[in-house]
Amino acid sequence: QVQLVESGGGLVQPGGSLRLSCAVSGFTFSDYYLSWIRQAPGKGLEWISYISPSGTTIYYADSVKGRFTISRDNAKNSMFLQMNSLRAEDTAVYYCARRPLYCSYTTCLDSWGQGTLVTVSS
Amino acid sequence: HSVLTQPPSASGTPGQRVTISCSGSDSNIGLNTVSWYQQLPGAAPKLLIYTNNQRPSGVPDRFSGSKSGTSASLAISGLQSEDEADYYCAAWDGSLSAGVFGGGTKLTVL
Repeated sequence: QVQLVESGGGLVQPGGSLRLSCAVSGFTFSDYYLSWIRQAPGKGLEWISYISPSGTTIYYADSVKGRFTISRDNAKNSMFLQMNSLRAEDTAVYYCARRPLYCSYTTCLDSWGQGTLVTVSS
Repeated sequence: HSVLTQPPSASGTPGQRVTISCSGSDSNIGLNTVSWYQQLPGAAPKLLIYTNNQRPSGVPDRFSGSKSGTSASLAISGLQSEDEADYYCAAWDGSLSAGVFGGGTKLTVL
């Protein structure tokens, strides 16, 4: 059974840092492109970043470029999102999601985690 | 505001057919394929349609997608109460080199 489980969310002050993790099971982690997507409270979905299976191809949304860093550890079946210089507008539920092998583009995501809430506030 | 434009709300009665539009530009929908997601209250999004009009295994054929030029549509036929949810379109934007979502459409089943 495919499972993605995010962790690492919490309350952080503006300017602070957090590291989110996405632990996966039920599929061959190293075969898949993965993405982070966030959803501010009561708002819509926002694509944040994706990483290729080898970790060599990475893209970011302009809203997080230079502040967030995506990475993965294929030996540990885990993906990460290092978030620095956090702002109030980064407050959101953060989801990790998988691009299925039958899709060849980034915004095709067939399996999602339950999300982890990040709150940026003083 | 979102790069892809959706109506904020839509509604229909049980059994009806409803459509939700998604308008983009040459750099996203015009050049790339569209996905659609359903998000039930308190849940993670679920992939409904990929590559404009393909359904993942398990998605009822009441859901269908289409694309023409720089716009796409999601159609739901035989509307059911459990279809009440938020629906999002998504595509890759070549100019931004980023994924983009529509602002979402809240579907109410009357």
